[in-house]
Amino acid sequence: RKEVEQDPGPFNVPEGATVAFNCTYSNSASQSFFWYRQDCRKEPKLLMSVYSSGNEDGRFTAQLNRASQYISLLIRDSKLSDSATYLCVVFSGGGNKLTFGTGTQLKVEL
Amino acid sequence: DVKVTQSSRYLVKRTGEKVFLECVQDMDHENMFWYRQDPGLGLRLIYFSYDVKMKEKGDIPEGYSVSREKKERFSLILESASTNQTSMYLCASSLASADQLYNEQFFGPGTRLTVL
Repeated sequence: RKEVEQDPGPFNVPEGATVAFNCTYSNSASQSFFWYRQDCRKEPKLLMSVYSSGNEDGRFTAQLNRASQYISLLIRDSKLSDSATYLCVVFSGGGNKLTFGTGTQLKVEL
Repeated sequence: DVKVTQSSRYLVKRTGEKVFLECVQDMDHENMFWYRQDPGLGLRLIYFSYDVKMKEKGDIPEGYSVSREKKERFSLILESASTNQTSMYLCASSLASADQLYNEQFFGPGTRLTVL
């Protein structure tokens, strides 16, 4: 079983739609969780951290469920510019090492 | 702005060649990392370094070595390139971690290496 699993998609949604991605992780000792965004042929960039209480940044909401070992990302009012691959990333301690999911591709269409 | 630069965006090499990939960061970060990214496999850690002249194996170090002679520079070396090392190589850097806390990793633009 992969340490971090994501549905690869693609998720094709119309502009203005709400879309949600889930990610599961296998290491129950994982400490911190993140969503990174990667545009086509570009490097990954941190989108947001994920906290147990849930956190929101504009149109983006991230949630963590430790009991079920999954994290989620909700995007409201999708924009064309949201089209990208979203990487679920887990930090399990020790030297700033991260474990990356394979990513979920989002395509927002007119 | 943090800047991580990589020596080449695209590189084509032949099987058996020795290949050097260079990474430089300008933010005085202690930690530096080399990943490869392949379709369906995501980013996988090859090697990382906490300090000058210090290196640690990641998840897939076989066929690779690294060098960190200066704080700002971290080199990935393919001793004898093989076709299965055709991939996108990404370098990243971050501040040192204390008490198991995570510091954001900043990535370079990547080098797409093709081994023929």
